Amino acid sequence: GAGVSQSPSNKVTEKGKDVELRCDPISGHTALYWYRQSLGQGLEFLIYFQGNSAPDKSGLPSDRFSAERTGGSVSTLTIQRTQQEDSAVYLCASSFIRAGGNGYTFGSGTRLTVV
Amino acid sequence: KQEVTQIPAALSVPEGENLVLNCSFTDSAIYNLQWFRQDPGKGLTSLLLIQSSQREQTSGRLNASLDKSSGRSTLYIAASQPGDSATYLCAVRPNAGNMLTFGGGTRLMVKP
Repeated sequence: GAGVSQSPSNKVTEKGKDVELRCDPISGHTALYWYRQSLGQGLEFLIYFQGNSAPDKSGLPSDRFSAERTGGSVSTLTIQRTQQEDSAVYLCASSFIRAGGNGYTFGSGTRLTVV
Repeated sequence: KQEVTQIPAALSVPEGENLVLNCSFTDSAIYNLQWFRQDPGKGLTSLLLIQSSQREQTSGRLNASLDKSSGRSTLYIAASQPGDSATYLCAVRPNAGNMLTFGGGTRLMVKP
């Protein structure tokens, strides 16, 4: 596609429920990243996928968070047993492999509210 | 650990002014630096990307400079307009590793 597409744009869920957030990167981008932006906070790295390599999960805040990337394209971020502190905007970005030196392209984000 | 700081945190200027946003980083071993714009409730829009070997990049009324050795970058906005009102974020990508480290942003308000 022309840009990075994220869905849903907004999600309200009850505490304790599981949620799935979707990211469709730019076609041909081999790298995909998830970031989180809490209210009034900076962007926090969550997880990174590059081609068929094992993902870099070093930013995931707890084992309730997981992500997968199917076929080297679409990615799903899953949050299990959501807590109120999970409320944030979840941003996905994609890029070409670093050798090209290209920057990131971000999606519009999913605003998650846990009530 | 890389730390990125943006000053000022907020800025309000009258329309037409030229302005400078500052970004500093603690580890000069960077691959590139990227400036983004974020409108309220929206994602990030890339403005300018500067490779570590470059000194500056220009796009329209925007000019970004990079002094890697001193750990600084500036974003210069000429003849500011109300439509420039947004939060501006700088982010650095390290030589080793794949994640961007973001500054806290500068929230800009350009008054008509």
